[in-house]
Amino acid sequence: DTAVSQTPKYLVTQMGNDKSIKCEQNLGHDTMYWYKQDSKKFLKIMFSYNNKELIINETVPNRFSPKSPDKAHLNLHINSLELGDSAVYFCASSQDARDTEAFFGQGTRLTVV
Amino acid sequence: RKEVEQDPGPFNVPEGATVAFNCTYSNSASQSFFWYRQDCRKEPKLLMSVYSSGNEDGRFTAQLNRASQYISLLIRDSKLSDSATYLCVVTFSRGFQKLVFGTGTRLLVSP
Repeated sequence: DTAVSQTPKYLVTQMGNDKSIKCEQNLGHDTMYWYKQDSKKFLKIMFSYNNKELIINETVPNRFSPKSPDKAHLNLHINSLELGDSAVYFCASSQDARDTEAFFGQGTRLTVV
Repeated sequence: RKEVEQDPGPFNVPEGATVAFNCTYSNSASQSFFWYRQDCRKEPKLLMSVYSSGNEDGRFTAQLNRASQYISLLIRDSKLSDSATYLCVVTFSRGFQKLVFGTGTRLLVSP
C-alpha cells in the first residue's frame, strides 16, 4: 500500500499543452504539498493545502493551478506548458500544517519538448 | 543568499570511513531542523530530526548550533547503502510550518 501515490510517473509532452498530475494519500493527513525539483536537484515548495484550503502559494506562475477535491487528494494542473517546466514534481503530505515530517510520493518526471 | 546552503559534493569515501556534512541556514527564526535522504531518482525520506542537544541514531549523529546557524550530520562506518543525497531541511512557522530544503550533499561510498 503506497502512502502517497501520484500519477503519472512519467510525462512527456509538447510545449503549449495542458497536463494534470494527480496525487492521493491514504495516511489520513490534513496537509498536502506540491514540490518542484529542478535539474540542479533543488527541491522547492510550490503549494500547500490544509483541509482543502490553500495555505502556501510560493510565487508560482498562474499557469499552475492546484485543486484539492478532498483532503486526501491534491491535483496539479499546468496550462500552456513551457520548456522550463521540465522537472520532477513531488506530492507530499503531513499530519497537519504544524507537523514537520513530510511523506513524499514517488515523483512525476515531466519533460516538455 | 539561499535560505539553506550545503556543499553539493560529491563526497567520495571508502566503506568504513567516517564522513561529516554541514549545512547553514539564513533565517534565525527557523524552528525545526531535519536531515532527509534522497536516493537517485527516488523521493526524499526523513532520516532524522536535529536537536540542539544533539541526537544519535545508530551510525548517524546530528547536531545543531543555533548561535552559528549550522547543522551537521556525521555518518560513522559508512556502508555502500549510505550512498545517496542528504538534504538539510529547516522550517519556520507562519502559523503553519514551511519546510525549506537545501540543495543536498551527494555521498558516494565505494568498496
